[in-house]
Amino acid sequence: RKEVEQDPGPFNVPEGATVAFNCTYSNSASQSFFWYRQDCRKEPKLLMSVYSSGNEDGRFTAQLNRASQYISLLIRDSKLSDSATYLCVVVNFNKFYFGSGTKLNVKP
Amino acid sequence: GAGVSQSPRYKVAKRGQDVALRCDPISGHVSLFWYQQALGQGPEFLTYFQNEAQLDKSGLPSDRFFAERPEGSVSTLKIQRTQQEDSAVYLCASSFSSGRETQYFGPGTRLLVL
Repeated sequence: RKEVEQDPGPFNVPEGATVAFNCTYSNSASQSFFWYRQDCRKEPKLLMSVYSSGNEDGRFTAQLNRASQYISLLIRDSKLSDSATYLCVVVNFNKFYFGSGTKLNVKP
Repeated sequence: GAGVSQSPRYKVAKRGQDVALRCDPISGHVSLFWYQQALGQGPEFLTYFQNEAQLDKSGLPSDRFFAERPEGSVSTLKIQRTQQEDSAVYLCASSFSSGRETQYFGPGTRLLVL
């Protein structure tokens, strides 16, 4: 069983839409959680950390549910520039485990 | 400020050739990581250094893969006798102290083995 599972998508949404991604993880002792964004042929870049209390950064909201072992990312008012692959990351013992990524296409 | 840099950005190798990939982490970052990313997949962990010490190399796929960071800054990932299945993007990342923190990625080296 993979450490981190993500729906690969693609999610095709119009500008202005709200879209949500989920990611499940297998190790209940996982210590840290992140969302990274990766544009085509570029390196992953940190989008936001994820905390149990939930955290928000502008149009982006991340949530962690330890009981059900999933993390989520909500994007409100989608922009064309949000088109990218979103990678969830679970950290166990100093190792980052990446999901395979969820591709988002925001259409005009 | 300067981010993580990697060289070369692209490498084409003939099967059986040895390659060396270089990573310059962010200055002052203690931890350095190597990942392998296949097309359509997320990065897969290869190995982890804290300063010059290689603390985890459990992700290296075979004994043809070797990494070093002799002075605790620049790191080199070496692949001996390359095979076609080694074709991938090799990403380097660094973090300020431990591996639990945010990691900052370099642009990667795209390796194609023919």
